[in-house]
Amino acid sequence: AQRVTQPEKLLSVFKGAPVELKCNYSYSGSPELFWYVQYSRQRLQLLLRHISRESIKGFTADLNKGETSFHLKKPFAQEEDSAMYYCALRGPQGGSEKLVFGKGTKLTVNP
Amino acid sequence: NAGVTQTPKFRVLKTGQSMTLLCAQDMNHEYMYWYRQDPGMGLRLIHYSVGEGTTAKGEVPDGYNVSRLKKQNFLLGLESAAPSQTSVYFCASRQSTRRGTDTQYFGPGTRLTVL
Repeated sequence: AQRVTQPEKLLSVFKGAPVELKCNYSYSGSPELFWYVQYSRQRLQLLLRHISRESIKGFTADLNKGETSFHLKKPFAQEEDSAMYYCALRGPQGGSEKLVFGKGTKLTVNP
Repeated sequence: NAGVTQTPKFRVLKTGQSMTLLCAQDMNHEYMYWYRQDPGMGLRLIHYSVGEGTTAKGEVPDGYNVSRLKKQNFLLGLESAAPSQTSVYFCASRQSTRRGTDTQYFGPGTRLTVL
């Protein structure tokens, strides 16, 4: 079964410190993975996807198939990065129409 | 271009009452989704639709019904509300499942409280 695990419900760092939000998945096949972000009182929005290999707002995420992980990283956290982050997986199993979301990690960046 | 809109934004119901949440998108997207967001549970898919006139069950469909009579609208109904349905409901839409056009766009959410 497809499953996305975000082991940390809460993560707190200081401004300027590196931050890593963990995401592990279970899926037999070639998954597509995404990170969505929800800032306070805003709607969820796509942050990045592994296929694009892009860096958005200083965040990067690398798909590690051996460790079945897709951790989100930023070398220097900013206060405006405080938000709820969701890792999501999409694959043919169960239909590619659907995304499977993790339970989310709330990131707080302290001044 | 308003994107994905949801009405109402807030609602308080008594147990046993019924209501309909409306989701509308003006991007001509084929796929639409209803999620609920609960603390510690993340986003869970309730129902979804792959096109006008189609609906399918998601992860937590019990107690909800949906209809997609028009491509731009996706309605979520609660026939007899229960306190367990207190949640924030998000609608989302997506153009297709092809890479490059598969980004899900979310609405602002509806906060529902059932007393």
